[in-house]
Amino acid sequence: DSGVTQTPKHLITATGQRVTLRCSPRSGDLSVYWYQQSLDQGLQFLIQYYNGEERAKGNILERFSAQQFPDLHSELNLSSLELGDSALYFCASSVGQVGDTEAFFGQGTRLTVV
Amino acid sequence: DAKTTQPPSMDCAEGRAANLPCNHSTISGNEYVYWYRQIHSQGPQYIIHGLKNNETNEMASLIITEDRKSSTLILPHATLRDTAVYYCIVRVGGSGNTPLVFGKGTRLSVIA
Repeated sequence: DSGVTQTPKHLITATGQRVTLRCSPRSGDLSVYWYQQSLDQGLQFLIQYYNGEERAKGNILERFSAQQFPDLHSELNLSSLELGDSALYFCASSVGQVGDTEAFFGQGTRLTVV
Repeated sequence: DAKTTQPPSMDCAEGRAANLPCNHSTISGNEYVYWYRQIHSQGPQYIIHGLKNNETNEMASLIITEDRKSSTLILPHATLRDTAVYYCIVRVGGSGNTPLVFGKGTRLSVIA
């Protein structure tokens, strides 16, 4: 158990809909990262938050957005869903302060768009 | 883009040492080498990381060449549970704030 909790574990929704994925980081971790993993793309970095502020952006679509709340949990919002958005979405967290610290991953949310 | 090169796949007999190579010829002085693995669609699992010295923990050993242009992850006694995709990642140290950038990794199959 990495200590990172993601909900829900599975989500099935229709094209055009909007969903919210939730991530609770490990206790004390200030950085949260979101990744997408589809069959043909591998693990793609989407976005990072540190202590409530956006810190880095990767290959995140404009239809996707994220935020980190004062209690440090994070949500990834996916809207106008397309079939190609079907993927595993992982959240990771790290201490995020100076020093070489590892990131710990949750078990992911499997999103299926039908 | 990933800054590392790994073989796409490797096999290893159960009980033998698995040696997974990684090339990172453009690594900078402040970049660490991290290894993660992913077992069948589970969340990636941290294994080990290092800067220039060899490192060992309960899971594995990391050997980094003196010029730091390549490294080898060693699983000393591979078991069937070690079958996974192994990712070698270089990441700026001195701050825990940089995201991990994953390449395609090496798919290790441990064979009974």
